[in-house]
Amino acid sequence: SYELTQPPSVSVSPGQTARITCSGDALPKRYAFWYQQKSGQAPVLVMYEDNKRPSGIPERFSGSSSRTVATLTISEAQVEDEADYFCYSTDSSGDHWVFGGGTKLTVL
Amino acid sequence: QVLLEASGSELKKPGASVKVSCKASGYTFTSYAINWVRQAPGQGFEWMGWINTETGKATYAQGFTGRFALSLDTSVSTANLEITNVKTEDTATYHCARLVCTSSSCYMDVWGKGTTVTVSS
Repeated sequence: SYELTQPPSVSVSPGQTARITCSGDALPKRYAFWYQQKSGQAPVLVMYEDNKRPSGIPERFSGSSSRTVATLTISEAQVEDEADYFCYSTDSSGDHWVFGGGTKLTVL
Repeated sequence: QVLLEASGSELKKPGASVKVSCKASGYTFTSYAINWVRQAPGQGFEWMGWINTETGKATYAQGFTGRFALSLDTSVSTANLEITNVKTEDTATYHCARLVCTSSSCYMDVWGKGTTVTVSS
């Protein structure tokens, strides 16, 4: 079955740039989407179709995708950005939606 | 404001049934499909399936057929997930999420907080 692979954790200091990657064989043909989940809260969409930012999401969040790797970048990361981040996409057929295992971002 | 409100936590014994609901507000319920996603303790998300809120037709992901049933009550803008013969491995938080489609893709834009189901004897 299709898999998306994320690093389990990323750690940065406040003000630094955090980069969270998501690897998948179908990503050259399929969009990546990114969700932020803080403890006990509903997941929030922070990036869609690789690099589109929903309204209300700060400009320091950006996305990109190259070959089999999609990347969520948080510039000048803030303590409030500390959360779990999940990528999401479909397999090459487009029929099966899959989530990455999640990356815990620590900002301190 | 688009909201998906999850029903309260459930504690069930193995073999029982449980019904989780997701009440939508702030938009026309039948204009967007509803997806269901499972999050086991300390684990990532698993997509369970989705239901067309216009037709009521449900599509299930592999591994979520048989004991899992999606349904609607459009009169109260609510989507339901019922699990029969629950097992300890069904212990998880179950999220509903609205599916929005653009000309390029479909994706889940708004999620509910989720309902925690605990299965224990």
